[in-house]
Amino acid sequence: ETGVTQSPTHLIKTRGQQVTLRCSSQSGHNTVSWYQQALGQGPQFIFQYYREEENGRGNFPPRFSGLQFPNYSSELNVNALELDDSALYLCASRDVRGPYEQYFGPGTRLTVT
Amino acid sequence: DQQVKQNSPSLSVQEGRISILNCDYTNSMFDYFLWYKKYPAEGPTFLISISSIKDKNEDGRFTVFLNKSAKHLSLHIVPSQPGDSAVYFCAASGRAEKLVFGKGTKLTVNP
Repeated sequence: ETGVTQSPTHLIKTRGQQVTLRCSSQSGHNTVSWYQQALGQGPQFIFQYYREEENGRGNFPPRFSGLQFPNYSSELNVNALELDDSALYLCASRDVRGPYEQYFGPGTRLTVT
Repeated sequence: DQQVKQNSPSLSVQEGRISILNCDYTNSMFDYFLWYKKYPAEGPTFLISISSIKDKNEDGRFTVFLNKSAKHLSLHIVPSQPGDSAVYFCAASGRAEKLVFGKGTKLTVNP
């Protein structure tokens, strides 16, 4: 069984640029969620994708967008990067037919300068 | 408005003793609660969960207790081991399935 993978591991971007982060869900999982974890905080829900459509969104502006592909992998896109976007971005997957536990990838550390 | 609170930023215990991590929540719509463990440079790892229809769930050294009337849950680790040293996050979920996390408690188990 393959776990959740994310790429890249680390990324440095300049304010105003755009970034795309990628996630491959655990095998058998059809729902993908993205979370932002700032330093010293718990993960904050960004949005969730199921059947290639957004299925719930947290308190994040529209410049945070995503995609889910037929193989259940996903992308998180952030436009017009701001300094406060510097954080660990976590992807989590689960089987919508199963228990509520979500399984997380190792994260992508984004630094905006 | 923080819906899930972990009021102890850190906890230090001796190896072999019990570790008790606490969590409070405010939203009565939450019906599923989870604990995750996180090591530096890794994603959160699922530990144990409990549904709101139960008041206790046990898995090996880990037991989670839920007190719905007090909107409080706790994670007991016994006996504690040095490898348990990590940041522990409490999370809650309602029917929307998104997880709402606390800020975490850093547990240090001393040999």
